[in-house]
Amino acid sequence: QVTLRESGPALVKPTQTLTLTCTFSGFSLDTSTMCVSWIRQPPGKALEWLARIDWDDDKYYSSSLETRLTISKDTSKNQVVLTMTNMDPVDTATYYCARLRGVGRPFDVWGQGTMVTVSS
Amino acid sequence: DIQMTQSPSTLSASVGDRVTITCRASESISNSLAWYQQKPGKGPKLLIYKASSLESGVPSRFSGSGSGTEFTLSISSLQAEDFAIYHCQQYHDKYSFGQGTTLAIK
Repeated sequence: QVTLRESGPALVKPTQTLTLTCTFSGFSLDTSTMCVSWIRQPPGKALEWLARIDWDDDKYYSSSLETRLTISKDTSKNQVVLTMTNMDPVDTATYYCARLRGVGRPFDVWGQGTMVTVSS
Repeated sequence: DIQMTQSPSTLSASVGDRVTITCRASESISNSLAWYQQKPGKGPKLLIYKASSLESGVPSRFSGSGSGTEFTLSISSLQAEDFAIYHCQQYHDKYSFGQGTTLAIK
């Protein structure tokens, strides 16, 4: 059974850096074609894709946010980490990680999300 | 970036009804279109991929169609558990989502 779980701070201050961890089970990011993405959803708004990391360590970012994002993986821990710098109240959202079984595929399993509020 | 537009934003229906949700892409995405269902406090669940392929375990009352820029999700006979938010997503060029359709009980 494939599961993903997001973890990180519930509250960050403006200008701080957010670090989120996605811990997964049921698959390995060492396996060819496997990928993990981060997606967020501000309250009452649409889902927004943020970043993707592939089994071969290739990384892809949203054009509008790429200067603030870094995605990395630790295959020994089955974890993917996302950092987002210079947080702003507009970054308040539920952050999800999800698996893809390859490039050109949809997100087939999602975590339940973690809510992050940006406020002083 | 490819923009996805869903309609309607809200849909009210009754158990047993047939409903259809539409999703339009700002440029052709071939059939690289997925539909997700989301319930409160949960991550989205994949229903349909490649515009019309049913994900394993998803009831056959869900169906998808379309290609290019216009797509639809249909639910043939609504069940109580189908009242949720539905999202379309393109994965032709990076990823983008529609704004979501809330399916509410009439």
